[in-house]
Amino acid sequence: QVQLQQWGSGLLKPSETLSLTCAVSGGSFSGSSWSWIRQPPGKGLEWIGKIDHSETTHYSPSLKGRVTMSLDTSKKQFSLKLNSVTAADTAVYFCARETDGYNSEIVSWGQGTLVTVSS
Amino acid sequence: SSDLTQDPAVSVALGQTVRITCQGDSLRSYYASWYQQKPGQAPLLVIYGQNSRPSGIPDRFSGSTSGDTASLTITGTQAEDEGDYSCSSRDSSDYHLRVFGGGTKLTVL
Repeated sequence: QVQLQQWGSGLLKPSETLSLTCAVSGGSFSGSSWSWIRQPPGKGLEWIGKIDHSETTHYSPSLKGRVTMSLDTSKKQFSLKLNSVTAADTAVYFCARETDGYNSEIVSWGQGTLVTVSS
Repeated sequence: SSDLTQDPAVSVALGQTVRITCQGDSLRSYYASWYQQKPGQAPLLVIYGQNSRPSGIPDRFSGSTSGDTASLTITGTQAEDEGDYSCSSRDSSDYHLRVFGGGTKLTVL
């Protein structure tokens, strides 16, 4: 059973860069895509993007240009950077594992990290 | 990108059956997956594919699709089923992207 443990900066000022990392344990790093999803307070889930085991990335059009995802296979970790943050980026951020089948689903989730952007 | 639309809130009496719906163009091409979320917790996959449940999910949860609408049905709703339910699928405009519905808050009366 794959488990995800995430960590990173929780309080940022506007214009700073959000940085989160997620460690994978209990399963293979290949054969899945590794995603980031966020949830603003009191709102629904928003998909940020994903990176697969070959380091191919796909980002939400609404965040493309500010997002970078990377992978460290040797450490079984993947990371998210979101630059030029504003208050609108305040949210709980989740790392997750997506299956790669035709009908993909999210089968594992990290515990979530609350990121607050405030001056 | 395509959007998935859900009713913001639904209520059901204890022991009764409730259906939560999710509508969007992407559901004509891809099955929805459904996630249960309780306050302060990460979402949990409850239904995926045509109508599959991960290990440990009770069989009172089921899924179906008709046209552009996916449904999550809970038969014999229990108090512990109260929470937020979100649907998701691949984006019909780009296979590699994902969309979520806005979520439905289920209250068990």
